[in-house]
Amino acid sequence: EPEVTQTPSHQVTQMGQEVILRCVPISNHLYFYWYRQILGQKVEFLVSFYNNEISEKSEIFDDQFSVERPDGSNFTLKIRSTKLEDSAMYFCASGTVQETQYFGPGTRLLVL
Amino acid sequence: DAKTTQPPSMDCAEGRAANLPCNHSTISGNEYVYWYRQIHSQGPQYIIHGLKNNETNEMASLIITEDRKSSTLILPHATLRDTAVYYCIVREAGGTSYGKLTFGQGTILTVHP
Repeated sequence: EPEVTQTPSHQVTQMGQEVILRCVPISNHLYFYWYRQILGQKVEFLVSFYNNEISEKSEIFDDQFSVERPDGSNFTLKIRSTKLEDSAMYFCASGTVQETQYFGPGTRLLVL
Repeated sequence: DAKTTQPPSMDCAEGRAANLPCNHSTISGNEYVYWYRQIHSQGPQYIIHGLKNNETNEMASLIITEDRKSSTLILPHATLRDTAVYYCIVREAGGTSYGKLTFGQGTILTVHP
């Protein structure tokens, strides 16, 4: 059964550094999403991406964040100049508007 | 904000049916009810969804009331591995929301031996 994959599973970085989180969505899906979950809190929507552009973003998704689909398979989330409060699980998901959204296993980001 | 209300926690004995309720009194006609679960800190796992008819798959059954203001997720024979946080989510089909999921706090289901 196809699944969303994410790399790395864990990432430790120093405050102020840039990180890139990678996702391989399910191959025939057209919509891509990033969510995050701070420890002990609920899953929060960050951004949706369709047709090579952002279709919706939350208040959390400020200029520090960017997404791109550099090739036909990968979908990345870049966090510039990380802050302590960026420490969280980051989940990628793919799907279509009409169908179910499937999540990857997540990347645990720790900013020191 | 999430448009659903769920009890914060529930318990169930292994082998028995787990019935998880959800209120979504402000649901509109083009919104589906989705259920996901999250085991520990893993990615949310899709369980089932429906619009107005009851639905069943290999994991669970979804019962939606006729007025669509509430629903119940049924795990027919709960196992210890079903211990998780269960999220009931109302999601617009199509439109301009691009399908984002708005998670609430969910229900922590604990299955006991």
